[in-house]
Amino acid sequence: GAGVSQSPRYKVAKRGQDVALRCDPISSHVSLFWYQQALGQGPEFLTYFQNEAQLDKSGLPSDRFFAERPEGSVSTLKIQRTQQEDSAVYLCASTLDRNTGELFFGEGSRLTVL
Amino acid sequence: GENVEQHPSTLSVQEGDSAVIKCTYSDSASNYFPWYKQELGKGPQLIIDIRSNVGEKKDQRIAVTLNKTAKHFSLHITETQPEDSAVYFCAASQGGSSASKIIFGSGTRLSIRP
Repeated sequence: GAGVSQSPRYKVAKRGQDVALRCDPISSHVSLFWYQQALGQGPEFLTYFQNEAQLDKSGLPSDRFFAERPEGSVSTLKIQRTQQEDSAVYLCASTLDRNTGELFFGEGSRLTVL
Repeated sequence: GENVEQHPSTLSVQEGDSAVIKCTYSDSASNYFPWYKQELGKGPQLIIDIRSNVGEKKDQRIAVTLNKTAKHFSLHITETQPEDSAVYFCAASQGGSSASKIIFGSGTRLSIRP
């Protein structure tokens, strides 16, 4: 596609609900990243895929967070039993390969947990 | 791990004046320093980057300087225009196989006064 596409753009969840956020990267891009951006803060690294392999998940804040990219294209970030502190914008970014500097970001999915 | 600090958190300048944003980093192994611009409701977009083998890079009204000894780098915007109003993030990484570890600063909200 022309750019990185994320859905939903906005999600409101009640505390304890599970949510799934989708990312469609640029079609030729091998590497995919998820970042979490709290209000007024910079993006914080969550996890990284090269094709379908999850090479780094050191930024995932707890075992309630799970990400997958089964066919090396679309990725899903799943948050189980959401809590209020999970409220943030979740940004997906892709790049041609891991040695390329520029990250191409989507517009993000804003999650609000009530 | 790497820590990136960014100052100021907010900056207001008169249209036509220059704006300077400064960042420091902690990991001497970092060798790639990008700057991203984020407009309201959008994902961050790369505006300029610099690698550790150069001390300065310029692209039209935007320039970035790097002092590896002092571990700090700066963004300079000259002849500011209203469309420069946005949040700017500096970042640092080791690049290459560690490209996933792009660490962002906390951001500078730049406002251009007409």
